[in-house]
Amino acid sequence: EAQVTQNPRYLITVTGKKLTVTCSQNMNHEYMSWYRQDPGLGLRQIYYSMNVEVTDKGDVPEGYKVSRKEKRNFPLILESPSPNQTSLYFCASSSTAFSSYGYTFGSGTRLTVV
Amino acid sequence: GESVGLHLPTLSVQEGDNSIINCAYSNSASDYFIWYKQESGKGPQFIIDIRSNMDKRQGQRVTVLLNKTVKHLSLQIAATQPGDSAVYFCAENAYKYIFGTGTRLKVLA
Repeated sequence: EAQVTQNPRYLITVTGKKLTVTCSQNMNHEYMSWYRQDPGLGLRQIYYSMNVEVTDKGDVPEGYKVSRKEKRNFPLILESPSPNQTSLYFCASSSTAFSSYGYTFGSGTRLTVV
Repeated sequence: GESVGLHLPTLSVQEGDNSIINCAYSNSASDYFIWYKQESGKGPQFIIDIRSNMDKRQGQRVTVLLNKTVKHLSLQIAATQPGDSAVYFCAENAYKYIFGTGTRLKVLA
């Protein structure tokens, strides 16, 4: 089944403790992206990757890092999480950035930073 | 700045009735639009899309209408069912995808 897999689904952590949210897709997509979803704000792009080894900042990149060492994986790294990073996170992929079929999204990771 | 908005945050519809969810966009350069459905605990799912050279596109029980004059997009769901309960949001694509905040559709039995 074609899908985007995120792990973990739920995570509670403490301020300052580094964490990584993994994202993997099995569709051989070039483009991958991370979003956060907050009430009343919709999906906001954190980082995106047009292809392997190519990443760029989205609209809200502060406090996040990403890497794209291989096509299928695009982990999101929070080096020193803070409470304002409590949010619902989605990874998405598509064949290209402007795919006619939009993005395939993962099921989400709900992160709570205390 | 550029934004994609929705008129109503919550829409309650009787089962079997038709639903209409609206979306306003501000970027006249946007040439492609998508409606997504997001069920509780799940990621957004593609429902239907439309290009700017079209006014209307129909899918299975869903129709998207595009009015470029007033920069308005709507999603019509025919014979709404309980399984249609979800948050619906639109996305516009000019130089990148911009997502709306969403409308919650509640289907009343």
